[in-house]
Amino acid sequence: EAGVTQFPSHSVIEKGQTVTLRCDPISGHDNLYWYRRVMGKEIKFLLHFVKESKQDESGMPNNRFLAERTGGTYSTLKVQPAELEDSGVYFCASSQDRRNTGELFFGEGSRLTVL
Amino acid sequence: RKEVEQDPGPFNVPEGATVAFNCTYSNSASQSFFWYRQDCRKEPKLLMSVYSSGNEDGRFTAQLNRASQYISLLIRDSKLSDSATYLCVVKENTDKLIFGTGTRLQVFP
Repeated sequence: EAGVTQFPSHSVIEKGQTVTLRCDPISGHDNLYWYRRVMGKEIKFLLHFVKESKQDESGMPNNRFLAERTGGTYSTLKVQPAELEDSGVYFCASSQDRRNTGELFFGEGSRLTVL
Repeated sequence: RKEVEQDPGPFNVPEGATVAFNCTYSNSASQSFFWYRQDCRKEPKLLMSVYSSGNEDGRFTAQLNRASQYISLLIRDSKLSDSATYLCVVKENTDKLIFGTGTRLQVFP
């Protein structure tokens, strides 16, 4: 069974440009999460989808970040316009866990470098 | 103050050694606790959940002390393949996980 896949694995853009990251969760997983790790810091929550609905977007840094999950399958995270401080690794995770036991299945991450 | 605090290490230990990692969390209302493992440039993966009664999975033992807001992970008989970053993770009353910065372990021959 395929795990969580993310694309691109690495993106290098200039400040002011737009980048769209994509996440394909494990098939059948209703819960989809975005997390981010900025260099030297801990992995931090961005938002949580249940199917196509945003359950919690309290971690989104500002309105330059837009996440979507149309149809409740794959998700995209767009950064527009990108700033230097947006550089980091963006992880997507999914779970089917309705008991919320805390096991999330992570993708390998999309590394974003903003120059 | 960080919500989850860990010693970043690195911990350099020989094969066969026993090593312990500690973690503290700030929110006394936290509900669930976990250790995740992350290999270099890979994704985090759940290693084990942590319960107040303590739990063991092979060479790994996890312990939770709610009164002290302290979590531990003990690895016995370390293997080269145990080299990784160990992430202490806490879940409050929402679905989001709160991560520590991780403790790096390097096991040498």
